[in-house]
Amino acid sequence: GNSVTQMEGPVTLSEEAFLTINCTYTATGYPSLFWYVQYPGEGLQLLLKATKADDKGSNKGFEATYRKETTSFHLEKGSVQVSDSAVYFCALTGITDSWGKLQFGAGTQVVVTP
Amino acid sequence: DAMVIQNPRYQVTQFGKPVTLSCSQTLNHNVMYWYQQKSSQAPKLLFHYYDKDFNNEADTPDNFQSRRPNTSFCFLDIRSPGLGDAAMYLCATSRDGSKGNIQYFGAGTRLSVL
Repeated sequence: GNSVTQMEGPVTLSEEAFLTINCTYTATGYPSLFWYVQYPGEGLQLLLKATKADDKGSNKGFEATYRKETTSFHLEKGSVQVSDSAVYFCALTGITDSWGKLQFGAGTQVVVTP
Repeated sequence: DAMVIQNPRYQVTQFGKPVTLSCSQTLNHNVMYWYQQKSSQAPKLLFHYYDKDFNNEADTPDNFQSRRPNTSFCFLDIRSPGLGDAAMYLCATSRDGSKGNIQYFGAGTRLSVL
């Protein structure tokens, strides 16, 4: 079946540091890939997505590139802010998943200190 | 303006006492989802509706039921809450559930069971 593996947290870094969160997936064909962010006490918000190989999703300074050859969708940001402190979920919808079912990774907590 | 609204934000119930959580949407989306998210875990899909068609996940306990009286509203009923049902419950919608569709989440209802 489909699955998503992402690096464990918490990831703690200083403001203006570079952030990378690794995400790899297992799925047949070409799934759609997503990064969702969850701020404390809130629901999930879409951060970015990519639907085919080599697509780059970007939003709010975050980027991720759909790499079919390495089955990866790593999230990066060049200079983080305290307001980026949140839990980040990598997710996919497989070609056989009905009705847009999302398969989530375990989530990575990011803590940014001033 | 919030597009997926969950009420209440916090709900306390007693062990075994039925409880209903509410979700409404202003997006006119066809698909509505209910997720359970326990502390420090990824959201887990319980079930979803495509229009009036109900789709249960295979491992969703019978204790959890859902109703969708119209396009805008969806309810999650927990018939006899146990201590293990304490969690954040997230409602989400998508336009038609096709691959690549974005899911829009509400802020969630945090359920406590005493």
